[in-house]
Amino acid sequence: EAGVAQSPRYKIIEKRQSVAFWCNPISGHATLYWYQQILGQGPKLLIQFQNNGVVDDSQLPKDRFSAERLKGVDSTLKIQPAKLEDSAVYLCASSPEVEAFFGQGTRLTVV
Amino acid sequence: AQSVTQPDIHITVSEGASLELRCNYSYGATPYLFWYVQSPGQGLQLLLKYFSGDTLVQGIKGFEAEFKRSQSSFNLRKPSVHWSDAAEYFCAVSPAYSGAGSYQLTFGKGTKLSVIP
Repeated sequence: EAGVAQSPRYKIIEKRQSVAFWCNPISGHATLYWYQQILGQGPKLLIQFQNNGVVDDSQLPKDRFSAERLKGVDSTLKIQPAKLEDSAVYLCASSPEVEAFFGQGTRLTVV
Repeated sequence: AQSVTQPDIHITVSEGASLELRCNYSYGATPYLFWYVQSPGQGLQLLLKYFSGDTLVQGIKGFEAEFKRSQSSFNLRKPSVHWSDAAEYFCAVSPAYSGAGSYQLTFGKGTKLSVIP
């Protein structure tokens, strides 16, 4: 069974630039999550999708972050404009119900 | 709101020694409990989970964890550590109900494990 795929693996941008991350979940998983993991901390939930609808985006900084899940499958997370404090690993996870399966993440460095 | 505390930021053990990583949670009811492991540059891999029933759960790679309701704890143990166990370990909780916002994970800050050969 293929795992959760994320791209790119690494990204370096200057502050105020925009960036997008892509996630392809495990086939058949209805729930998709985006987490932000800042160095030295545990992952923090940004947004949760159920199929192509948003279940919870209460912790997403909506002034600069946006996310969508196309046709209930792939998802993209965008940051525009990026700030220095957005430097982190962005993890995508998918779940059939309870257990979440994580991708390898995208490491973003904002300089 | 739920929270997870992992009191040890960094633990160093010798190869072959036993290991216990501590995890305490704060939640209104008994949540679902998880331990994940993260190797450098990798995503999170599930080691084990507790939903209900037997409070001692077995996981992959020889790990086990014990749920203690009275102490709100879910400590991870391994009787003999291998050098390949060096990684960061995260305890996590999620609400034990279905519905909107269900099963979202709240993570602790992690414990980094170093293993001396």
